[in-house]
Amino acid sequence: GDSVTQMEGPVTLSEEAFLTINCTYTATGYPSLFWYVQYPGEGLQLLLKATKADDKGSNKGFEATYRKETTSFHLEKGSVQVSDSAVYFCALETSYDKVIFGPGTSLSVIP
Amino acid sequence: DAGVTQSPTHLIKTRGQHVTLRCSPISGHKSVSWYQQVLGQGPQFIFQYYEKEERGRGNFPDRFSARQFPNYSSELNVNALLLGDSALYLCASRQDRGTWPSFFGPGTRLTVL
Repeated sequence: GDSVTQMEGPVTLSEEAFLTINCTYTATGYPSLFWYVQYPGEGLQLLLKATKADDKGSNKGFEATYRKETTSFHLEKGSVQVSDSAVYFCALETSYDKVIFGPGTSLSVIP
Repeated sequence: DAGVTQSPTHLIKTRGQHVTLRCSPISGHKSVSWYQQVLGQGPQFIFQYYEKEERGRGNFPDRFSARQFPNYSSELNVNALLLGDSALYLCASRQDRGTWPSFFGPGTRLTVL
């Protein structure tokens, strides 16, 4: 079945460091790919999306590129801030409006 | 505009009891989905409803059921609660089938003792 794998956390970075969170997926067909973020005590928010191969999603300095050949959708940010501390979920969607999430990666950014 | 709202915020039940969780989608959104998020894991898809009909179902037992009302609000029902049902239950709405994004509510935290 369809699934998402992402790097295990927690990840701890210093402010202004470069961030990469790896995400790979398995899916039949051509899924849309997403990154969601969950801030402490809050609900899930869509961070960015890509709907076809080679698309780049971007938002708030975060970027991810849909790589069909490597079935990957890695999240990157050039300079993280303390306010980026949250749990990040890679996800895919193929049909029936059903979103399949990865296990999440907890990020802590220290000043 | 109000986002997706869910009630109650927190709930404590004992094993064997029944629970009903409620969700109001964003105004104008016709599709509602339910997810279960166990602590430390990603959300798992339970149901999707569109135009009052079940359109998708995840790998959950028949103890889980849901429905959608004419105003597009939705209820999730869980019978014969087990300890393992303790989780954050998330509701998500979207404007129509196949549209993005899904907007998630804050969730209902269910604790089964």
